[in-house]
Amino acid sequence: QSVLTQPPSVSGAPGQRITISCTGSSSNIGAGHDVHWYQQLPGTAPKLVIFDNKKRPSGVPDRFSGSKSGTSASLAITGLRAEDEADYYCQSYDSSLSGVVFGGGTKLTVL
Amino acid sequence: QLQLQESGPGLVKPSETLSLTCTVSGGSISTDYYYWGWIRQSPGKGLEWIGNIFYRGRTNYNPSLMSRVTISVDTSKNQFSLKLTSVTAIDTAIYYCARRDKSSSNWFDPWGQGTLVTVSS
Repeated sequence: QSVLTQPPSVSGAPGQRITISCTGSSSNIGAGHDVHWYQQLPGTAPKLVIFDNKKRPSGVPDRFSGSKSGTSASLAITGLRAEDEADYYCQSYDSSLSGVVFGGGTKLTVL
Repeated sequence: QLQLQESGPGLVKPSETLSLTCTVSGGSISTDYYYWGWIRQSPGKGLEWIGNIFYRGRTNYNPSLMSRVTISVDTSKNQFSLKLTSVTAIDTAIYYCARRDKSSSNWFDPWGQGTLVTVSS
Protein backbone atom coordinates (compact mmCIF):
# COMPACT_ATOMS: atom_id res chain seq x y z
CA GLN A 1 0.00 0.00 0.00
CA SER A 2 0.92 3.65 -0.37
CA VAL A 3 2.95 5.61 2.18
CA LEU A 4 0.34 8.38 2.06
CA THR A 5 -3.24 7.28 2.69
CA GLN A 6 -6.19 8.68 0.77
CA PRO A 7 -9.83 7.60 0.70
CA PRO A 8 -10.48 5.51 -2.44
CA SER A 9 -13.47 7.61 -3.44
CA VAL A 10 -15.47 10.72 -2.64
CA SER A 11 -18.54 12.15 -4.29
CA GLY A 12 -20.61 15.30 -4.31
CA ALA A 13 -23.36 17.05 -6.19
CA PRO A 14 -22.70 19.99 -8.47
CA GLY A 15 -22.17 23.16 -6.47
CA GLN A 16 -21.21 21.33 -3.28
CA ARG A 17 -17.92 21.32 -1.41
CA ILE A 18 -15.82 18.19 -1.00
CA THR A 19 -12.56 17.46 0.75
CA ILE A 20 -9.99 14.76 0.13
CA SER A 21 -7.67 13.79 2.96
CA CYS A 22 -4.06 12.64 2.75
CA THR A 23 -2.65 11.03 5.88
CA GLY A 24 1.05 10.49 6.36
CA SER A 25 3.48 10.05 9.24
CA SER A 26 6.32 11.68 11.15
CA SER A 27 8.77 10.87 8.35
CA ASN A 28 6.91 12.69 5.59
CA ILE A 29 4.10 15.20 6.17
CA GLY A 30 4.75 15.31 9.91
CA ALA A 31 8.44 16.02 9.28
CA GLY A 32 7.48 19.27 7.62
CA HIS A 33 7.73 18.18 4.01
CA ASP A 34 5.37 20.00 1.68
CA VAL A 35 2.30 18.34 0.20
CA HIS A 36 1.28 18.70 -3.43
CA TRP A 37 -1.93 17.64 -5.21
CA TYR A 38 -2.49 16.40 -8.75
CA GLN A 39 -5.66 16.04 -10.82
CA GLN A 40 -5.73 13.21 -13.35
CA LEU A 41 -8.59 13.36 -15.81
CA PRO A 42 -9.46 10.06 -17.53
CA GLY A 43 -6.81 9.07 -20.05
CA THR A 44 -4.53 12.02 -19.35
CA ALA A 45 -1.36 12.77 -17.41
CA PRO A 46 -1.53 14.16 -13.86
CA LYS A 47 -1.74 17.94 -13.58
CA LEU A 48 -0.47 19.93 -10.60
CA VAL A 49 -3.38 21.76 -8.93
CA ILE A 50 -1.91 22.60 -5.48
CA PHE A 51 1.76 22.90 -4.52
CA ASP A 52 3.53 23.75 -1.27
CA ASN A 53 0.44 22.71 0.72
CA LYS A 54 -1.83 25.57 -0.33
CA LYS A 55 -0.50 27.40 -3.39
CA ARG A 56 -2.32 27.29 -6.73
CA PRO A 57 -0.44 27.23 -10.06
CA SER A 58 -1.46 29.82 -12.60
CA GLY A 59 -4.69 28.82 -14.32
CA VAL A 60 -6.08 26.64 -11.52
CA PRO A 61 -9.44 27.99 -10.31
CA ASP A 62 -9.64 29.37 -6.78
CA ARG A 63 -12.31 26.72 -6.14
CA PHE A 64 -9.32 24.47 -5.37
CA SER A 65 -7.57 24.94 -2.03
CA GLY A 66 -5.18 23.00 0.15
CA SER A 67 -4.27 22.79 3.79
CA LYS A 68 -1.87 20.89 6.02
CA SER A 69 -1.81 20.14 9.72
CA GLY A 70 0.35 17.73 11.66
CA THR A 71 0.70 14.49 9.71
CA SER A 72 -2.21 15.17 7.35
CA ALA A 73 -3.20 17.39 4.46
CA SER A 74 -6.45 18.08 2.64
CA LEU A 75 -7.62 19.21 -0.76
CA ALA A 76 -10.91 21.07 -0.91
CA ILE A 77 -12.98 21.79 -3.99
CA THR A 78 -15.89 24.20 -3.71
CA GLY A 79 -18.64 24.85 -6.25
CA LEU A 80 -18.20 21.33 -7.60
CA ARG A 81 -18.48 21.02 -11.38
CA ALA A 82 -18.81 18.02 -13.70
CA GLU A 83 -15.37 18.79 -15.14
CA ASP A 84 -13.81 18.20 -11.70
CA GLU A 85 -14.57 14.47 -11.95
CA ALA A 86 -11.13 12.89 -11.90
CA ASP A 87 -8.59 11.02 -9.79
CA TYR A 88 -6.69 13.13 -7.27
CA TYR A 89 -3.28 12.25 -5.82
CA CYS A 90 -1.30 13.78 -2.98
CA GLN A 91 2.51 13.74 -2.99
CA SER A 92 5.23 14.53 -0.49
CA TYR A 93 8.76 13.51 0.42
CA ASP A 94 9.71 10.84 2.94
CA SER A 95 12.92 11.27 4.91
CA SER A 96 13.09 7.61 5.99
CA LEU A 97 12.67 6.34 2.44
CA SER A 98 14.78 9.17 1.00
CA GLY A 99 12.38 9.67 -1.83
CA VAL A 100 9.19 11.05 -3.28
CA VAL A 101 5.98 9.37 -2.14
CA PHE A 102 2.44 9.49 -3.51
CA GLY A 103 -0.95 8.73 -2.06
CA GLY A 104 -2.98 5.90 -3.53
CA GLY A 105 -5.36 8.30 -5.24
CA THR A 106 -8.99 9.30 -4.72
CA LYS A 107 -11.66 9.04 -7.38
CA LEU A 108 -13.97 12.05 -7.29
CA THR A 109 -17.43 11.46 -8.70
CA VAL A 110 -19.70 14.41 -9.42
CA LEU A 111 -23.23 13.12 -8.97
CA GLN B 1 5.70 26.79 -22.79
CA LEU B 2 7.75 23.86 -21.52
CA GLN B 3 6.70 20.48 -22.93
CA LEU B 4 7.97 16.97 -22.33
CA GLN B 5 7.47 13.98 -24.61
CA GLU B 6 8.25 10.35 -23.88
CA SER B 7 9.36 7.95 -26.61
CA GLY B 8 10.43 4.35 -26.81
CA PRO B 9 9.22 0.80 -27.45
CA GLY B 10 5.72 -0.02 -26.29
CA LEU B 11 6.49 -3.73 -25.87
CA VAL B 12 9.40 -5.27 -24.00
CA LYS B 13 10.06 -8.97 -23.40
CA PRO B 14 10.44 -10.32 -19.86
CA SER B 15 14.04 -10.22 -18.55
CA GLU B 16 15.01 -7.58 -21.12
CA THR B 17 15.74 -3.88 -20.61
CA LEU B 18 13.12 -1.15 -20.88
CA SER B 19 14.52 2.02 -22.47
CA LEU B 20 12.69 5.32 -22.74
CA THR B 21 13.69 8.86 -23.68
CA CYS B 22 12.10 12.15 -22.66
CA THR B 23 12.57 15.12 -24.99
CA VAL B 24 12.21 18.55 -23.44
CA SER B 25 11.07 21.44 -25.63
CA GLY B 26 10.29 25.08 -24.94
CA GLY B 27 13.09 25.37 -22.39
CA SER B 28 16.55 24.12 -21.51
CA ILE B 29 17.22 20.99 -19.52
CA SER B 30 20.40 22.68 -18.29
CA THR B 31 18.83 24.64 -15.47
CA ASP B 32 19.97 24.95 -11.87
CA TYR B 33 16.38 25.08 -10.60
CA TYR B 34 14.91 21.73 -11.59
CA TYR B 35 15.48 18.01 -11.67
CA TRP B 36 14.07 15.80 -14.43
CA GLY B 37 12.15 12.77 -13.29
CA TRP B 38 10.37 9.57 -14.21
CA ILE B 39 7.12 8.36 -12.64
CA ARG B 40 5.09 5.30 -13.58
CA GLN B 41 1.50 4.18 -13.15
CA SER B 42 0.50 0.55 -13.36
CA PRO B 43 -2.84 -0.10 -15.09
CA GLY B 44 -5.63 1.07 -12.84
CA LYS B 45 -3.20 1.82 -10.02
CA GLY B 46 -1.50 4.77 -8.39
CA LEU B 47 1.67 6.71 -9.10
CA GLU B 48 5.19 5.48 -8.30
CA TRP B 49 8.27 7.68 -8.37
CA ILE B 50 11.15 6.00 -10.23
CA GLY B 51 13.91 8.58 -9.95
CA ASN B 52 15.30 11.84 -11.24
CA ILE B 53 18.45 13.48 -12.59
CA PHE B 54 20.07 16.92 -12.46
CA TYR B 55 21.52 18.19 -15.73
CA ARG B 56 25.04 17.83 -14.32
CA GLY B 57 24.35 14.10 -13.91
CA ARG B 58 23.49 13.66 -10.23
CA THR B 59 20.74 11.09 -9.74
CA ASN B 60 18.27 9.97 -7.07
CA TYR B 61 16.38 6.69 -7.32
CA ASN B 62 13.47 5.01 -5.59
CA PRO B 63 15.18 2.55 -3.22
CA SER B 64 12.77 -0.21 -4.29
CA LEU B 65 13.94 0.09 -7.92
CA MET B 66 17.49 1.31 -7.45
CA SER B 67 19.17 -1.99 -8.33
CA ARG B 68 17.53 -2.01 -11.80
CA VAL B 69 17.28 1.68 -12.75
CA THR B 70 19.63 4.04 -14.56
CA ILE B 71 18.68 7.59 -15.54
CA SER B 72 20.99 9.55 -17.81
CA VAL B 73 20.97 12.97 -19.45
CA ASP B 74 22.07 14.31 -22.85
CA THR B 75 22.14 18.09 -22.59
CA SER B 76 23.14 18.48 -26.25
CA LYS B 77 19.83 16.92 -27.28
CA ASN B 78 17.82 18.36 -24.37
CA GLN B 79 16.85 14.81 -23.44
CA PHE B 80 17.02 12.47 -20.49
CA SER B 81 16.56 8.73 -20.50
CA LEU B 82 15.42 5.80 -18.38
CA LYS B 83 16.71 2.25 -18.41
CA LEU B 84 15.06 -0.46 -16.33
CA THR B 85 16.70 -3.87 -16.45
CA SER B 86 15.35 -7.39 -15.94
CA VAL B 87 11.73 -6.37 -16.44
CA THR B 88 8.77 -8.55 -15.52
CA ALA B 89 5.02 -8.22 -15.98
CA ILE B 90 4.79 -6.01 -12.89
CA ASP B 91 6.78 -3.37 -14.75
CA THR B 92 3.92 -2.97 -17.22
CA ALA B 93 2.81 0.63 -16.75
CA ILE B 94 2.36 4.06 -18.22
CA TYR B 95 5.70 5.82 -17.85
CA TYR B 96 5.68 9.58 -17.43
CA CYS B 97 8.54 12.04 -17.50
CA ALA B 98 8.20 15.32 -15.62
CA ARG B 99 10.10 18.33 -14.41
CA ARG B 100 10.69 18.27 -10.65
CA ASP B 101 11.23 21.32 -8.48
CA LYS B 102 14.74 21.30 -7.01
CA SER B 103 13.91 23.21 -3.85
CA SER B 104 12.64 21.48 -0.75
CA SER B 105 9.18 21.34 -2.34
CA ASN B 106 9.69 18.46 -4.79
CA TRP B 107 6.56 19.02 -6.91
CA PHE B 108 6.32 17.78 -10.52
CA ASP B 109 5.17 20.09 -13.30
CA PRO B 110 4.67 19.80 -16.19
CA TRP B 111 4.29 16.13 -17.09
CA GLY B 112 4.65 14.42 -20.44
CA GLN B 113 1.60 12.69 -21.87
CA GLY B 114 2.95 9.30 -20.84
CA THR B 115 3.78 6.17 -22.79
CA LEU B 116 2.41 2.70 -22.14
CA VAL B 117 5.03 -0.01 -21.88
CA THR B 118 3.82 -3.60 -21.81
CA VAL B 119 6.10 -6.41 -20.66
CA SER B 120 5.12 -9.57 -22.47
CA SER B 121 6.66 -12.32 -24.55
